[in-house]
Parts: sequence; structure tokens; C-alpha cells
Amino acid sequence: DIQMTQSPSSLSASVGDRVTITCRAGQSISNYLNWYQHKPGKVPDLLITSAFSLQTGVPSRFSGSGSGTTFTLTINSLLPEDSATYYCQHSYTNIPSFGGGTKVEVK
Amino acid sequence: EVQLVQSGAEVRRPGESLKISCKGFGYTFTRHWIGWVRQMPGKGLEWIGIIYPGDSETEYSLSFKGQVTISVDKSINTAYLQWGSLRTSDTALYYCARQRAAYSGFDHWGQGTLITVSS
Repeated sequence: DIQMTQSPSSLSASVGDRVTITCRAGQSISNYLNWYQHKPGKVPDLLITSAFSLQTGVPSRFSGSGSGTTFTLTINSLLPEDSATYYCQHSYTNIPSFGGGTKVEVK
Repeated sequence: EVQLVQSGAEVRRPGESLKISCKGFGYTFTRHWIGWVRQMPGKGLEWIGIIYPGDSETEYSLSFKGQVTISVDKSINTAYLQWGSLRTSDTALYYCARQRAAYSGFDHWGQGTLITVSS
């Protein structure tokens, strides 16, 4: 199984801030990297696939980048509704493991 | 509308068996991989395994291999996750999810099935 490591594990930022979450894969996964937003009591929501492709309906303040082993999720102009835990997941193999998650608190 | 509908919450004793289900609606069930994900209380998402309903090809995460069985009945568009002998450490919320396309993300999720294992 490919190990996925996210950092930081949590962060706190203010409305309007820009935040960046990093995800590292244990081996090269090309650009087969997905990002999810998960709010308490809800199901995970797919935000980005293929490292940078926004899903339909996802606000443009979300963006993804990277390839190989290092990827980032950036949220520009943070809003209160962005409070959630964010997970990266590779889809390079049929064991698409998740990162440990980053809990984002919006002050 | 694509939907995955999971079976309801279960409470079991350690050592008991259990099979939970995930039924797909609104798309060609046999053409998309279905995965299972565990979320233990207060913890993150963990990948359990995946099945292709078209031919029942299955793969498991190393952590779950031998601990659970994933199966499918494509005649009723339903995937299953089962345990032969539950442990208290199996207490968690279990999700099924549909892979959008090969090498892509999982775009539709079931509502989750809460499993509580307690003596």
C-alpha cells in the first residue's frame, strides 16, 4: 500500500486568509491525487481529482497542484463554511489510501 | 440521480458475524468500482478494499486483508462488506463509495453504516 502523509494535521486561520495543505506520497503517483472535504455528520465530498481538476460545483477558491510525490491543496479567501477536515487520496492503484487528514478551523 | 444507499446501523457482540450492504441507483452499477472506507470514532478515513461489480475483481488494503470480505450481487446492484467474527475494534462508521472513472476519485458516497461491537 502507498503511504500518504499530510501536513499540518490541523490549522486555524481567519476568514479571508489563504491556507495550504501538503500531501506527500511514499512513491511517485504521477498526478493521480484526489482531495476531499469532510464535515462532521456529512459524507466526504470530492473536491479535486487528478491533482488539480476541480469537480463541478466546487468554488474556485479551491485549487490543487503537484505531481510525482508532493501535492498541495490551497484555499484562497477562506470562508466560515470551509471549516472541515481535508483528506488527500491517491488513485494510482486499486488500494487508494488516504492521508491522515488536516482539520481546518476558521476563526 | 446517482445514489448509494447503505443498510442501517448494527449492534453486535464480539465474535458475531455481520454483512452490510450498499445498493447503487441511477447509473450502470457494473461499470464503476465500489470501495469501502472505515472511520473509527474521532479518527480519519481508512481504505478497506474495492470491488468491480462487472467481474467481482476485488483488492484489499494490507491492513484489512483476511479481516473482512467484500462481495457483490450485480443482479440487484448491491455490494457487501462482511465480517466472520467481529471485534470491539471494528466499531466504526463504514462508507461505500463509487469511483468516478479509472484512476479517478470517488464521487458518490453512501450515507454510512455505523457498526457498534460491544459485549
